Amino acid sequence: DVKVTQSSRYLVKRTGEKVFLECVQDMDHENMFWYRQDPGLGLRLIYFSYDVKMKEKGDIPEGYSVSREKKERFSLILESASTNQTSMYLCASRPYREVHEQYFGPGTRLTVT
Amino acid sequence: AQSVTQPDIHITVSEGASLELRCNYSYGATPYLFWYVQSPGQGLQLLLKYFSGDTLVQGIKGFEAEFKRSQSSFNLRKPSVHWSDAAEYFCAVGALGTGGFKTIFGAGTRLFVKA
Repeated sequence: DVKVTQSSRYLVKRTGEKVFLECVQDMDHENMFWYRQDPGLGLRLIYFSYDVKMKEKGDIPEGYSVSREKKERFSLILESASTNQTSMYLCASRPYREVHEQYFGPGTRLTVT
Repeated sequence: AQSVTQPDIHITVSEGASLELRCNYSYGATPYLFWYVQSPGQGLQLLLKYFSGDTLVQGIKGFEAEFKRSQSSFNLRKPSVHWSDAAEYFCAVGALGTGGFKTIFGAGTRLFVKA
């Protein structure tokens, strides 16, 4: 079974803090994704990576950056957290260039106060 | 551009009743279509997918969906709902592009099940 894990289920940070969200997958998938999920808006793509050290902006990259130094790990970074970044963050992975479903982690509920 | 519309924000059904969740998509070519379910506090899990062939696809947990090209729809159905089906359901459409396969998700439909 594919397993995608996220470093925290719940996180509370203060405005202006630098926040790291970590995601690890164990199936050697090339593609990895970060989404944020908000009520009524569904999942919106923040960034994705199709290989180590490769990254592409998604639909809402502003205020975020990412890092992928190893194939299994994809990090989302909030350089200076703001209250409007309070949300559920979901990581996913998928084999490269295949018509395939994504495999999701359990999510991190981030609250910025 | 691809898009997905789930017209119902939430639906309430009685346990044992039938269920249909609506999904309409916009895509210029043959779409790749998915339904995912998200139980409370969990990530998304794939229920079923359509890539080609038979337009009626079977999924896990007794769900099925029918692809109707003429209506640009991919509605999810279940003949008899169980209390454990209460969750949020997401329809998604995918397409190949630069960098791989991109997936667009609908806004979701939250299902409530009453006893």
